[in-house]
Amino acid sequence: EVQLEESGGGLVQPGGSLRVSCETSGFSFNDYAMSWVRQAPGKGLEWVSAISFSGGYTYYADSVKGRFTISRDNSKNTLYLQMNSLRAEDTAIYYCAKAGRGTTSVFYMDVWGEGTTVTVSS
Amino acid sequence: QSALTQPVSVSGSPGQSITISCTGTAKDVGGYNYVSWYRHHPGKAPKLMIYDVSNRPSGVSNRFSGSKSGNTASLTISGLQAEDEGDYYCSSYTSFSTYVFGTGTKVTVL
Repeated sequence: EVQLEESGGGLVQPGGSLRVSCETSGFSFNDYAMSWVRQAPGKGLEWVSAISFSGGYTYYADSVKGRFTISRDNSKNTLYLQMNSLRAEDTAIYYCAKAGRGTTSVFYMDVWGEGTTVTVSS
Repeated sequence: QSALTQPVSVSGSPGQSITISCTGTAKDVGGYNYVSWYRHHPGKAPKLMIYDVSNRPSGVSNRFSGSKSGNTASLTISGLQAEDEGDYYCSSYTSFSTYVFGTGTKVTVL
């Protein structure tokens, strides 16, 4: 069974940093692109970032470009999102998701985690 | 990258059919056959319902179908059931090699 489990969320002050992780199991992690998606309170889903199977290509939404960094450790089957210069508007549930097809880009996401909550507040 | 446009809410009685529209541009929906649909209950993991415009993943009921015309994609749910309630989001790959979601539609079974 394919499983994704996010962790690392918490309360952080504006301007601070946080790294969230996504541990995976049940599939060949190094064969798939991966993505982060978030949902702010009362808002819809927002795609945040994606990374190719090897980690050689990364993609970001304009809202996080230059502040967030996506990475992966294929030896640990784990995806990461390093979030710097956090703002109140980054408060959200952060989901990791597996690409249904595609090693370089994400065309759709077929398996999702339950999410981890990040709150940016003083 | 602007969100794709969806109606805020759609409702129907059990057994009826409903259709949710998703309007984008030639740089996303209209430019690629990479439209997908997700059902989401807040706080839970979203579920993939349709991918590549009209393909159903294994385990998804054949009451769900997808289509696309120009810059607008659609999700149709036939034989509406109470379990179909939830928030539905369309999404598309874009010409910027990024990904964009729709604004979301709340489906209510009357």
